[in-house]
Amino acid sequence: DGGITQSPKYLFRKEGQNVTLSCEQNLNHDAMYWYRQDPGQGLRLIYYSQIVNDFQKGDIAEGYSVSREKKESFPLTVTSAQKNPTAFYLCASSINNLNTGELFFGEGSRLTVL
Amino acid sequence: AQKITQTQPGMFVQEKEAVTLDCTYDTSDQSYGLFWYKQPSSGEMIFLIYQGSYDEQNATEGRYSLNFQKARKSANLVISASQLGDSAMYFCAMRGHAGGTSYGKLTFGQGTILTVHP
Repeated sequence: DGGITQSPKYLFRKEGQNVTLSCEQNLNHDAMYWYRQDPGQGLRLIYYSQIVNDFQKGDIAEGYSVSREKKESFPLTVTSAQKNPTAFYLCASSINNLNTGELFFGEGSRLTVL
Repeated sequence: AQKITQTQPGMFVQEKEAVTLDCTYDTSDQSYGLFWYKQPSSGEMIFLIYQGSYDEQNATEGRYSLNFQKARKSANLVISASQLGDSAMYFCAMRGHAGGTSYGKLTFGQGTILTVHP
């Protein structure tokens, strides 16, 4: 089945450690996105990529890094520079077209810093 | 800058009744799109309905309809015949001008938790 796979679903890390969240899609979508969701809050855009080997910062990129070496993959690294990394992270993808621009989401990764 | 406001932190509805979830937006873009997503407790985001700013008719998808009032900058979601499975968080979102780097970049509201009572 086509879709977006995020892993791991739950992740614990100690302060000062970098962690990488995986996001893979087999929808052949050009664009991919990372959003962060805090409890009871809406989603905030971290990074997005419209094409392989290119990506742009979103609204809250500080303390995060990404890569887009393959169309299917858009991993997110939460670095030790991120002051408050405990959150729910959602990866999404979309076809770049003039129509709905609907985002398809993965099931999310919940990161907890101990 | 774009902004989405959902003023209802929580809503309650009786099963089989209709409910309206409010959403207002602010943008200087002439062309934009409005979305509603559902987020069950599992965390996944489920796309419900889309309305383009130039669409003259309100969007409908099954039990979901979008009450689009452009002059008021509102895009309320109406769920008819509520079901227990409709209990979830609902997010209104906006995509700005459909040009180049704006594709797919959605700005989300804070969400409304809907609880459907039997």
